[in-house]
Amino acid sequence: AQTVTQSQPEMSVQEAETVTLSCTYDTSENNYYLFWYKQPPSRQMILVIRQEAYKQQNATENRFSVNFQKAAKSFSLKISDSQLGDTAMYFCAFMKLTGNQFYFGTGTSLTVIP
Amino acid sequence: ETGVTQSPTHLIKTRGQQVTLRCSSQSGHNTVSWYQQALGQGPQFIFQYYREEENGRGNFPPRFSGLQFPNYSSELNVNALELDDSALYLCASSLVQVGEQYFGPGTRLTVT
Repeated sequence: AQTVTQSQPEMSVQEAETVTLSCTYDTSENNYYLFWYKQPPSRQMILVIRQEAYKQQNATENRFSVNFQKAAKSFSLKISDSQLGDTAMYFCAFMKLTGNQFYFGTGTSLTVIP
Repeated sequence: ETGVTQSPTHLIKTRGQQVTLRCSSQSGHNTVSWYQQALGQGPQFIFQYYREEENGRGNFPPRFSGLQFPNYSSELNVNALELDDSALYLCASSLVQVGEQYFGPGTRLTVT
């Protein structure tokens, strides 16, 4: 079975600062995808960034980047130059390539303080 | 390109009743997944439909069932509602090969 663990239920960061959200996962699969999703208070889930397990290079999307450590089964999200609009619940998710099933963590509530 | 839509937005039902939730997938997507998100929790996978067939199921009882139609829209049916079924129900569509799931805004179900 696949499990995804987010050990930080809540975090806060000052506007313009950098914050890192942690995620670990457990799987016996060798090929898979990892994702970070953002769920603002309006509740619609939005994809932030994705990482293919076979790629060694860490994914980057503008102010968002990941630190993917496959051997350690760790997948952290770094948000640089935090903005008020980054305030949201962030979910780490794991996807098996067989069956296209997603497994979500319990989320980290991030608050950006002006 | 039309995004994922869900209806209704909110729903209140009584324990023991049945409910049907609806989802229209994003244009071009042939796979729909349904999730239950309890308050303060991450989404839990209910099941997935690919080309009108169930293509995987999470740890949910048979009273949770679904359908996918030729236009790839989908329904989630829940029979014999229980109080614990109160949650946000999310629908997500995807292209199987790509993997990213695009979520709808959800349906908030309250069972009293």
